Amino acid sequence: ETGVTQTPRHLVMGMTNKKSLKCEQHLGHNAMYWYKQSAKKPLELMFVYSLEERVENNSVPSRFSPECPNSSHLFLHLHTLQPEDSALYLCASSQESLIAYEQYFGPGTRLTVT
Amino acid sequence: AQKITQTQPGMFVQEKEAVTLDCTYDTSDQSYGLFWYKQPSSGEMIFLIYQGSYDEQNATEGRYSLNFQKARKSTNLVISASQLGDSAMYFCAMRGSGGYNKLIFGAGTRLAVHP
Repeated sequence: ETGVTQTPRHLVMGMTNKKSLKCEQHLGHNAMYWYKQSAKKPLELMFVYSLEERVENNSVPSRFSPECPNSSHLFLHLHTLQPEDSALYLCASSQESLIAYEQYFGPGTRLTVT
Repeated sequence: AQKITQTQPGMFVQEKEAVTLDCTYDTSDQSYGLFWYKQPSSGEMIFLIYQGSYDEQNATEGRYSLNFQKARKSTNLVISASQLGDSAMYFCAMRGSGGYNKLIFGAGTRLAVHP
């Protein structure tokens, strides 16, 4: 595997379900990110992990719970979601530095909440 | 507050012609980075090109180049010799404040390349 992978690619869940999104990066990076992309809205940063520590939580509701067990893996645990949470969830990684490095994105998980 | 503005929701271009996608930004930082990403219908965000605020020359990467005008706070993407595979959403982004690579994205421009 190369780059950034995400599973599952598509997920349909009910409002009472609990599910998890998984992201894995094979680039040796030390920072990972979760973004939400809703229709007709700019990409929204949700969480940032740097060196496995959460450094930003962008006022995300508690029904989204991130986990970063090591620098290569990032999870987003979902529970009691709302229909407005339906979106494309993108994971990204980069090498954290004072110099701006590009972020590499995974293919995303298309989430539908019914 | 930092902000990215892309005023063109949609653009179309004839195959083999050049097209310019506009992006303006707002920041009080002296040091910042500007990025362009392509998002095909498959959903993946593909990094295209980067411009640092202190770079004196416009960035180029193959058919992609930037028209970086620092005083105007604009960084327009120029795609030369458009191909059908260039049809996608294009996002301009800026590295935000802070010690890590927090990116702020614009709303995007949908480009359609016609044969």
